Amino acid sequence: GNSVTQMEGPVTLSEEAFLTINCTYTATGYPSLFWYVQYPGEGLQLLLKATKADDKGSNKGFEATYRKETTSFHLEKGSVQVSDSAVYFCALTLNTGTASKLTFGTGTRLQVTL
Amino acid sequence: DAGVIQSPRHEVTEMGQEVTLRCKPISGHNSLFWYRQTMMRGLELLIYFNNNVPIDDSGMPEDRFSAKMPNASFSTLKIQPSEPRDSAVYFCASSWGAPQGTQYFGPGTRLLVL
Repeated sequence: GNSVTQMEGPVTLSEEAFLTINCTYTATGYPSLFWYVQYPGEGLQLLLKATKADDKGSNKGFEATYRKETTSFHLEKGSVQVSDSAVYFCALTLNTGTASKLTFGTGTRLQVTL
Repeated sequence: DAGVIQSPRHEVTEMGQEVTLRCKPISGHNSLFWYRQTMMRGLELLIYFNNNVPIDDSGMPEDRFSAKMPNASFSTLKIQPSEPRDSAVYFCASSWGAPQGTQYFGPGTRLLVL
């Protein structure tokens, strides 16, 4: 079946540090890949996505590259801010079917301190 | 657009009572998803609809849970009778443009069953 594996959290960084959150996937077809972010007390928001191999998604200084050879979609940011503290979810959907059913990872909590 | 609207935002009830959660998707979206989020189990897809038709309800935990979508602008998730283990945050999400359509999440309903 399809699955997404994320690194265990929490990840604690100082402001302006470099961030990497690892994500690998298993899928039976050719998925689209997503990163969602959940701020405290809120629903999930799409952060970025990539729909085919070698695509790079980017938004708000975050980037992730779809690596088919390593089945990975690692999230990176060059300089984190306190406001980036949140839970980050990696997810995939297969490019078939009638609806965009997402398979989520377990989430990685990021805490950024001054 | 107002985004996905969920009500109530918080619900406290006693074991055995009926609970109804409501969702209004984004206008024009044709897919709707119900998720449950807990610390122990993470984010779980309960059921999703496409064009008001239930497509996959394999995530519904048991017969106490039911969901309906009588029209394109409204859906309900009902728990009857409720149990303490149902305590969780329930999210509704909607999307358009399967299969790669981005899912937009509501703010969630925080349910506590005493």
